[in-house]
Amino acid sequence: SAVISQKPSRDICQRGTSLTIQCQVDSQVTMMFWYRQQPGQSLTLIATANQGSEATYESGFVIDKFPISRPNLTFSTLTVSNLSPEDSSIYLCSVYISGASWEKLFFGSGTQLSVL
Amino acid sequence: GIQVEQSPPDLILQEGANSTLRCNFSDSVNNLQWFHQNPWGQLINLFYIPSGTKQNGRLSATTVATERYSLLYISSSQTTDSGVYFCAVGGFTGGGNKLTFGTGTQLKVEL
Repeated sequence: SAVISQKPSRDICQRGTSLTIQCQVDSQVTMMFWYRQQPGQSLTLIATANQGSEATYESGFVIDKFPISRPNLTFSTLTVSNLSPEDSSIYLCSVYISGASWEKLFFGSGTQLSVL
Repeated sequence: GIQVEQSPPDLILQEGANSTLRCNFSDSVNNLQWFHQNPWGQLINLFYIPSGTKQNGRLSATTVATERYSLLYISSSQTTDSGVYFCAVGGFTGGGNKLTFGTGTQLKVEL
């Protein structure tokens, strides 16, 4: 498996501000994935972050709202900008780790965001 | 995109009981994984199983890719099995590494 450290673990933010979430992995990975989990819901992919190139966003997610940085092969940040109560969710980073006959997705512990 | 439906949505078991969770998907896939989200929110990868059958302790999973479904079996359930179980699939288009998560099954195991 992998050790994926995500911080902050939780935060309470005011409407109109921004929150930057950090994700650190203990090994070099090509792709990092950012997911959102709204209260009581499943996970939705926000974007894929590749080192050295711009992130690839899924339908419904835009760079102005969710800017992502990927400065090296072990680190990424997701910023949630211009916060509104609808942004209250858990945000998770994830990476693939491969074995001889498998390739599994592993998740960080998540960031619980509440917007007032 | 691929649609992923899981059933049942909710399940309550007595400790020691067995259960089967189902995942149906709408298109061909080359990646399928099962996850357990514990009551504290941590997601644990249970299986990478795009086809065939695998077992890990009291858990086993079977994917019949040609019929577009996967099953997760939990035997002799324990209270620590409580939480939400998600299957997630990746299709041939758009790269199999981008997973679409299912609707989830909320499991509660009672003493």
